[in-house]
Amino acid sequence: AQTVTQSQPEMSVQEAETVTLSCTYDTSESDYYLFWYKQPPSRQMILVIRQEAYKQQNATENRFSVNFQKAAKSFSLKISDSQLGDAAMYFCAYNARGGAQKLVFGQGTRLTINP
Amino acid sequence: SQTIHQWPATLVQPVGSPLSLECTVEGTSNPNLYWYRQAAGRGLQLLFYSVGIGQISSEVPQNLSASRPQDRQFILSSKKLLLSDSGFYLCAWSFRSLNTGELFFGEGSRLTVL
Repeated sequence: AQTVTQSQPEMSVQEAETVTLSCTYDTSESDYYLFWYKQPPSRQMILVIRQEAYKQQNATENRFSVNFQKAAKSFSLKISDSQLGDAAMYFCAYNARGGAQKLVFGQGTRLTINP
Repeated sequence: SQTIHQWPATLVQPVGSPLSLECTVEGTSNPNLYWYRQAAGRGLQLLFYSVGIGQISSEVPQNLSASRPQDRQFILSSKKLLLSDSGFYLCAWSFRSLNTGELFFGEGSRLTVL
């Protein structure tokens, strides 16, 4: 079974600084998707960024970028120029391509932004 | 555009009472549907998923059940709630025909069993 591990229960960063959230996963599949979701205090899950395993280029969405290391099964999220609105729980998630598209989530990292 | 709604947003129920959480999706047809549970301070655990009307797959043995009476309607139920059923429940959908891997989530329902 696939597993996703986030080893940092909590992280904090100064406003305008850069922070990196770590994620590792375990799978025997070769084709899959990886995601970072954000869960603000409102509790609704919001997609931050998506990476397809067959793409070597790391995904980027404005201030958010990933470092995808397929051989190491590592998928970290970098947030640049942190803003107060970035404060939330961040979940790393894995989804095998095909089938019922079931997302497997990590335990989450609570990110605090210090003004 | 597609939207997903789930209700109620908050529910406080006594142990042993029944439960019904409802979720509907608009703006798409034949979606895959999911129920996840998030215990306090924990990640999300997949409870049920459905690839079509009347087709329900359960991921973990538990006190809950799910039904899909219509294409875009997904219901989470229990006949008798347990204290351990407390948590935050999230409904989600994905495209069945377009395999993007992404799930789209509702606003969530917070259940407290006393």
